[in-house]
Amino acid sequence: AQSVTQPDIHITVSEGASLELRCNYSYGATPYLFWYVQSPGQGLQLLLKYFSGDTLVQGIKGFEAEFKRSQSSFNLRKPSVHWSDAAEYFCAVGKSSGDKLTFGTGTRLAVRP
Amino acid sequence: EPEVTQTPSHQVTQMGQEVILRCVPISNHLYFYWYRQILGQKVEFLVSFYNNEISEKSEIFDDQFSVERPDGSNFTLKIRSTKLEDSAMYFCASSEVLQGARLSEQYFGPGTRLTVT
Repeated sequence: AQSVTQPDIHITVSEGASLELRCNYSYGATPYLFWYVQSPGQGLQLLLKYFSGDTLVQGIKGFEAEFKRSQSSFNLRKPSVHWSDAAEYFCAVGKSSGDKLTFGTGTRLAVRP
Repeated sequence: EPEVTQTPSHQVTQMGQEVILRCVPISNHLYFYWYRQILGQKVEFLVSFYNNEISEKSEIFDDQFSVERPDGSNFTLKIRSTKLEDSAMYFCASSEVLQGARLSEQYFGPGTRLTVT
């Protein structure tokens, strides 16, 4: 069965600092990988996705993620964090783009001024 | 930009009562989903729905749950007799059917917070 691990429950970074949120997945075949963000009172907004091809994918709001098959990882990065990035971030995996998603437990990001 | 909408945003109900959560998917999307997130836990898949049929359901989606597309725009989740453990945030999502019968990524609504007392 597929699973996703987000080892960091809470992360605090200073505004302007770089960010990396970790995601490890377990899946038997080539996974479809997603990062979603949930701001307070909001739904889940898709940041980026990986299906195939270039392993470094660009998303919205200046985020990127790199798929590393050898490490079963899909870490999310941003070079310079803004206060508005404070939210909860979820990594998810599916066997196709419309397949049911298996989510990680999420990482709550706080941004220090 | 088109978006998935859900009503109500918050529903409080007594144990044993029936509730219906409503979703309006993006208008040209044909594949629909319900997920739930119990407070402090991960988002979990409940059910997917296409062509007026359930495509897949999780073991959470037991006989107390049902889904329906009552008209051309709404997609509902009914819980027949709510339990305390049904308290959660319920998210609706939808996908577009693309060429070659592939599906787009899922677009999520803002959720309905269900509180069972």
